[in-house]
Amino acid sequence: GAGVSQSPSNKVTEKGKDVELRCDPISGHTALYWYRQSLGQGLEFLIYFQGNSAPDKSGLPSDRFSAERTGGSVSTLTIQRTQQEDSAVYLCASSPGTILTDTQYFGPGTRLTVL
Amino acid sequence: GQNIDQPTEMTATEGAIVQINCTYQTSGFNGLFWYQQHAGEAPTFLSYNVLDGLEEKGRFSSFLSRSKGYSYLLLKELQMKDSASYLCAVRKGSTLGRLYFGRGTQLTVWP
Repeated sequence: GAGVSQSPSNKVTEKGKDVELRCDPISGHTALYWYRQSLGQGLEFLIYFQGNSAPDKSGLPSDRFSAERTGGSVSTLTIQRTQQEDSAVYLCASSPGTILTDTQYFGPGTRLTVL
Repeated sequence: GQNIDQPTEMTATEGAIVQINCTYQTSGFNGLFWYQQHAGEAPTFLSYNVLDGLEEKGRFSSFLSRSKGYSYLLLKELQMKDSASYLCAVRKGSTLGRLYFGRGTQLTVWP
């Protein structure tokens, strides 16, 4: 079956512009996560959605970052007034949302470059 | 952070065995994951341990000692395609929710 998909695969933008990154999770997965990966750094958690519960936004680095998940499926991560330090690979993951192992499966990521 | 430590780089030769260690310090430990990530690609799931002991899956095995806050990933019969970054990640608290990742170990396999 189809895995997690993300678009665009690459995004180059100018400092100060807004960007939107999209994630399509695996069908039937109720949990969705956003992480970002900077060069030489581990994956940094940003935000987590589980079903209809309020999202865990504890990882968002500033109020320029926001995310929504419509209809319990597709998610959009929005970065307003982008800064050069926002340059990174943004990874989305989804999981079944069960109480068992609940493995997270990752998409290919969006490479964001802020000039 | 959760103090998840793993070596930055390792090298090995084809056909050999390599062990990648991961140590962690966290309260409410609820599982440890290993992922493989080739350059420019998504991390892919390799293994999961929540109880002490060894989990074997083909050429890959993963070990966990909760009392020592220690895990390792063992790769046997190394192949060139095993050259990748190996990510250790810990879950704490609920079964659901974020993972805490180490910085990854870049493994290079030489012919």
